[in-house]
Amino acid sequence: DAKTTQPPSMDCAEGRAANLPCNHSTISGNEYVYWYRQIHSQGPQYIIHGLKNNETNEMASLIITEDRKSSTLILPHATLRDTAVYYCIVRLNRDDKIIFGKGTRLHILP
Amino acid sequence: ETGVTQTPRHLVMGMTNKKSLKCEQHLGHNAMYWYKQSAKKPLELMFVYSLEERVENNSVPSRFSPECPNSSHLFLHLHTLQPEDSALYLCASSQDVASNTGELFFGEGSRLTVL
Repeated sequence: DAKTTQPPSMDCAEGRAANLPCNHSTISGNEYVYWYRQIHSQGPQYIIHGLKNNETNEMASLIITEDRKSSTLILPHATLRDTAVYYCIVRLNRDDKIIFGKGTRLHILP
Repeated sequence: ETGVTQTPRHLVMGMTNKKSLKCEQHLGHNAMYWYKQSAKKPLELMFVYSLEERVENNSVPSRFSPECPNSSHLFLHLHTLQPEDSALYLCASSQDVASNTGELFFGEGSRLTVL
C-alpha cells in the first residue's frame, strides 16, 4: 500500500506556481520522499527526492515540513506541458520497491 | 528519449495466443522492472531483476513469465491471458536495485489488449 495521501486533482493557471501537497504522516526517519509524474500515454518521469532538507533542481522544488509528515512539490512557473499525474512516494533508501499511489492529476489552465 | 525502449508499443492478442513484450535499456543499469498499469488503478510492481536475477515477484499469475537474459534486456512472455490483463505494461531500469537516488527510468510502455 502507498504510504502517502494526495488530492485526486488540482487546477493551476499557466505561468503560476503549482503547489502539490502530500501527506505522509507515518513516514519513518530513514525514508525518503520521491516525486514522479506521468504525462498521458508516457511512462513516469522522476522529478525530485529529499529526506529532511528542502531540495531544488531544474524541474521543481521540494519543501518538507520539519516533522516530515507532509511535503509540497512546487513547479515555479507551470506550463501546459506540466499537465500530468504527479505521484508522491515514500521509499526506504536502499529498498528495492517503489510503490505508486493514485497521485494528483494536475490540470494547467491556459 | 529516456534510454529505455519497449516494443511493441501496442499489442492485441487473443486469450489463446503466446506473445512477448521486450524492453531494452541503454543506460548501463543493473536493475530492471516490470510494472502494470490498469485503467484507473495505480501502477503495480510485477517483477524486479538485479543483475539478471529475479529478486521480486509480487504474486503475479504464472501466465506472465519474465526473462532477463542480460542486464540490458528484459522480456515479459504472455500466455493464455484474460481480458482483465489488458493494461499498459511499463518497463523501468535503475542503476542498482538498492540505488541511493531511487531514480527509475521508465519506457513508454506497451499497451496490451486481450480479446
